Amino acid sequence: EAQVTQNPRYLITVTGKKLTVTCSQNMNHEYMSWYRQDPGLGLRQIYYSMNVEVTDKGDVPEGYKVSRKEKRNFPLILESPSPNQTSLYFCASMRSGGGTGELFFGEGSRLTVL
Amino acid sequence: DAKTTQPNSMESNEEEPVHLPCNHSTISGTDYIHWYRQLPSQGPEYVIHGLTSNVNNRMASLAIAEDRKSSTLILHRATLRDAAVYYCIIGTSYGKLTFGQGTILTVHP
Repeated sequence: EAQVTQNPRYLITVTGKKLTVTCSQNMNHEYMSWYRQDPGLGLRQIYYSMNVEVTDKGDVPEGYKVSRKEKRNFPLILESPSPNQTSLYFCASMRSGGGTGELFFGEGSRLTVL
Repeated sequence: DAKTTQPNSMESNEEEPVHLPCNHSTISGTDYIHWYRQLPSQGPEYVIHGLTSNVNNRMASLAIAEDRKSSTLILHRATLRDAAVYYCIIGTSYGKLTFGQGTILTVHP
């Protein structure tokens, strides 16, 4: 089954404790991206990757890091989480990043930073 | 980067057509227009996308203004399952995606 898998789905952590949210897709997609969703602000793109070893900032990259060492994985790293990073996070992938395709979203990861 | 503006909410009756508008006056020539919808507790789901010409698929139609500064998502016969938040998104050729605030669609039986 074609899917985008995120882990963990739910996480409560404390300020400053590094964490990684993993994202994996099994569709051999070139393009992957991360979003955060907050009440009243909709979905905002954090980082995106057009292909392996190619990443770019979205609209809200501050406080986040990403890497794309292999095609199927695109982890989101919070080196020193803060309470303002409490949010619902979505990972998504697309066959290619030229804007012409369909984005497939994961089920979301709800993160709470105390 | 292109911005999108959508109404906060719209209502419809079941089996009637729904026209969801989106303004994107700063869109550039190679940017695509995408529409996604999101049900509660789920990730967004693809609806339709287009560049210049109107597009149809099994879910909906996308009408794009001639100057591309606005578009309309058309659900031909709304059902209760179409109740969701609908997002208009501008996608650049280099991968950046900008979401609108979304329109909450309520469908009345």
